[in-house]
Amino acid sequence: GAVVSQHPSWVICKSGTSVKIECRSLDFQATTMFWYRQFPKQSLMLMATSNEGSKATYEQGVEKDKFLINHASLTLSTLTVTSAHPEDSSFYICSARVGTLYGYTFGSGTRLTVV
Amino acid sequence: QQQVKQSPQSLIVQKGGISIINCAYENTAFDYFPWYQQFPGKGPALLIAIRPDVSEKKEGRFTISFNKSAKQFSLHIMDSQPGDSATYFCAASKRGSSNTGKLIFGQGTTLQVKP
Repeated sequence: GAVVSQHPSWVICKSGTSVKIECRSLDFQATTMFWYRQFPKQSLMLMATSNEGSKATYEQGVEKDKFLINHASLTLSTLTVTSAHPEDSSFYICSARVGTLYGYTFGSGTRLTVV
Repeated sequence: QQQVKQSPQSLIVQKGGISIINCAYENTAFDYFPWYQQFPGKGPALLIAIRPDVSEKKEGRFTISFNKSAKQFSLHIMDSQPGDSATYFCAASKRGSSNTGKLIFGQGTTLQVKP
């Protein structure tokens, strides 16, 4: 149980285009989802916290207009990287809190390459 | 105060040996301490987690030791196997306040178990 499905698993896009990454909770309702970014051989850096039906809360230094987060339902959160540039190339991972417990479950990640 | 410091950065262990990874935190409000295992190109997977009201938790070959007074916790992997070769992250979170539910990750430890 408590599975988070993330798509796509990898994507290559041209510089200047936008890319959308989806994160779905398959067997539970996720009021809160988190989006992380991970560079090679580094830790996970929290980008933003999304709450269903409200605006996302972004961490300091994360550009809100570049990384658009939408959490329109209890089972779907999306991250759109707008006007992507090569420096946006990274591994993006979503996560969701499972119910009222402390547990968190993670998606399988999306490898974004901007060329 | 939000940091979680993890060591060592890398670790090489012989098959059958014990792998030990340490983490330290500063924020005494943290009340959930999980360990995650991550393979290349995949999202983190929860290994084991502990709350500060217990000093040790064991699940199979994995044990968390928790020292509340020292604000430290560690992961012990007994009888380490080549399949355990991965990157391990400690993390911490707290409930309450505007930061409810945010997981703060350590820097990660790359474990290599030699046959």
